Amino acid sequence: DGGITQSPKYLFRKEGQNVTLSCEQNLNHDAMYWYRQDPGQGLRLIYYSQIVNDFQKGDIAEGYSVSREKKESFPLTVTSAQKNPTAFYLCASSDNYNEQFFGPGTRLT
Amino acid sequence: QQQVKQSPQSLIVQKGGISIINCAYENTAFDYFPWYQQFPGKGPALLIAIRPDVSEKKEGRFTISFNKSAKQFSLHIMDSQPGDSATYFCAASKPNFGNEKLTFGTGTRLTIIP
Repeated sequence: DGGITQSPKYLFRKEGQNVTLSCEQNLNHDAMYWYRQDPGQGLRLIYYSQIVNDFQKGDIAEGYSVSREKKESFPLTVTSAQKNPTAFYLCASSDNYNEQFFGPGTRLT
Repeated sequence: QQQVKQSPQSLIVQKGGISIINCAYENTAFDYFPWYQQFPGKGPALLIAIRPDVSEKKEGRFTISFNKSAKQFSLHIMDSQPGDSATYFCAASKPNFGNEKLTFGTGTRLTIIP
């Protein structure tokens, strides 16, 4: 059963704490993405990775960090520098044909 | 800067009616235009997508109309049903030379009333 999994589903971050959101895909996709969703603002790109061991900043990368050590995994760390982390975080992956498949999301407060 | 503008922000349609959501883009390099459907607490799912070599694409009750000269595209939901109540996002991206990123509109919350 192919797809994207995100964990945990809900996460609470204490002030000054770093937290890591997990994203795993078994679709054999090269590219993976992290988005932040706030009410009324749509999806904003945090980071993306087109290939293993390489990633680029998106539109709102400040206060976040990522790694891409394996093709199937793209974890996102919300650092203590992110002063307003409360949002719905979505991970996605794509192959070479533009279509992005999304995970179920993690709600961070 | 917002490269994809979506309207309306919210929409209420009676069951059986036609729901229409519009998007306009600025970057003429965009050549892939998908629509995503999102239910509360879930990730978005691809609904339908179009490339600019056609002016319309239909899949069941869902149709994308594309106007290249006006740089606009729209989603039409025919015979709207309560189960269509969700948030819809349009998006756009450039030619895929390496998994180009999508630029999303701000979303439309659609409510279908009985």
